[in-house]
Amino acid sequence: DTAVSQTPKYLVTQMGNDKSIKCEQNLGHDTMYWYKQDSKKFLKIMFSYNNKELIINETVPNRFSPKSPDKAHLNLHINSLELGDSAVYFCASNRRGSSTDTQYFGPGTRLTVL
Amino acid sequence: GENVEQHPSTLSVQEGDSAVIKCTYSDSASNYFPWYKQELGKRPQLIIDIRSNVGEKKDQRIAVTLNKTAKHFSLHITETQPEDSAVYFCAATGGTSYGKLTFGQGTILTVHP
Repeated sequence: DTAVSQTPKYLVTQMGNDKSIKCEQNLGHDTMYWYKQDSKKFLKIMFSYNNKELIINETVPNRFSPKSPDKAHLNLHINSLELGDSAVYFCASNRRGSSTDTQYFGPGTRLTVL
Repeated sequence: GENVEQHPSTLSVQEGDSAVIKCTYSDSASNYFPWYKQELGKRPQLIIDIRSNVGEKKDQRIAVTLNKTAKHFSLHITETQPEDSAVYFCAATGGTSYGKLTFGQGTILTVHP
């Protein structure tokens, strides 16, 4: 009974390619997030969707495009991949306005751009 | 926007000792402060959290304290065990951040047997 799942777990690709990462949660949450963790382990928010509406859009290159087809799914498409995009991408979810605001993280997708 | 500073960046202790990690935040509107533990190659997992209307919270060997006036909060781990070795992150959110967690830089905790 996986709570927050991501696919793929590993992604190795060449510079200039386009790739997508998928995230799904079965916790009944209404808000989902994408975080990027760089090689120094720093975790930084990229995007957030609440009920399929984009509510957080940090300073991220427009090569990154999130998409939320429904409350349980949040995908991340990356165009024209660059070496600097190599990182671990984590999806997270929570129920906004709940008593805890606890965000639950997915297992991460390790993206390596060669 | 919110800025969270975390210290120390690395912490090495002997098994059984206590470990303390400290964080400061900048946005006085922040009202929720979680702590996450991340083992190598794994996802961040919540270990304890505190809201701004509480000054201290304890869960077995782990405790968190919050000083709203000074805008800092700390994680205390007592009777450390080798399995406590991991990277620990503090975070802050609230106000108009739309739930966005702003993380500290992380602390690599090593507990030596």
